[in-house]
Amino acid sequence: DAKTTQPNSMESNEEEPVHLPCNHSTISGTDYIHWYRQLPSQGPEYVIHGLTSNVNNRMASLAIAEDRKSSTLILHRATLRDAAVYYCILRGGGADGLTFGKGTHLIIQP
Amino acid sequence: DTGVSQDPRHKITKRGQNVTFRCDPISEHNRLYWYRQTLGQGPEFLTYFQNEAQLEKSRLLSDRFSAERPKGSFSTLEIQRTEQGDSAMYLCASSRLARSSDTQYFGPGTRLTVL
Repeated sequence: DAKTTQPNSMESNEEEPVHLPCNHSTISGTDYIHWYRQLPSQGPEYVIHGLTSNVNNRMASLAIAEDRKSSTLILHRATLRDAAVYYCILRGGGADGLTFGKGTHLIIQP
Repeated sequence: DTGVSQDPRHKITKRGQNVTFRCDPISEHNRLYWYRQTLGQGPEFLTYFQNEAQLEKSRLLSDRFSAERPKGSFSTLEIQRTEQGDSAMYLCASSRLARSSDTQYFGPGTRLTVL
């Protein structure tokens, strides 16, 4: 799977939107962009995924650049429960195991 | 609760002992994955099964590690002759399909401490 680059940490205030960036300049045409998050002392949790078009679900929105070399996970109104490590993962080909990086540690201030 | 369960949740053992972990995936899921996570790092892929067949093993999976998925349902991960470097969280995940768009559902993990 191609490599992704994310900031080590970000801080935001409660009830404000959060934009988490991810760069993936070596993405291939068949790679899906997945986002997972991991709350303290829990297993990772699926957030959202997309291929080319922007995606929305009840948890978040995913904005994908036109050239697909970057994407942004958007939490529209952060709560304290959104404090977690967020992982941006590319997945293509044979659907093998996920390749996690270090992710972005999101800190939410009350 | 994702529907994936792991047992035990915590295991403390002495160096040199054997340990076995169990994972029960979501019932209709054909794919089952094992990962290992050390402190401050993201999870690392170890191996996965399609039904009862083990299709890929990471180079992280040394000869002391063995995984099985009899009858394509639950899976076990055994570590023989444990070492202190094996101390980590062991995560199991399952997915219904074998497509790159498919979602993996993770269990809560088994935390192993080797003294």
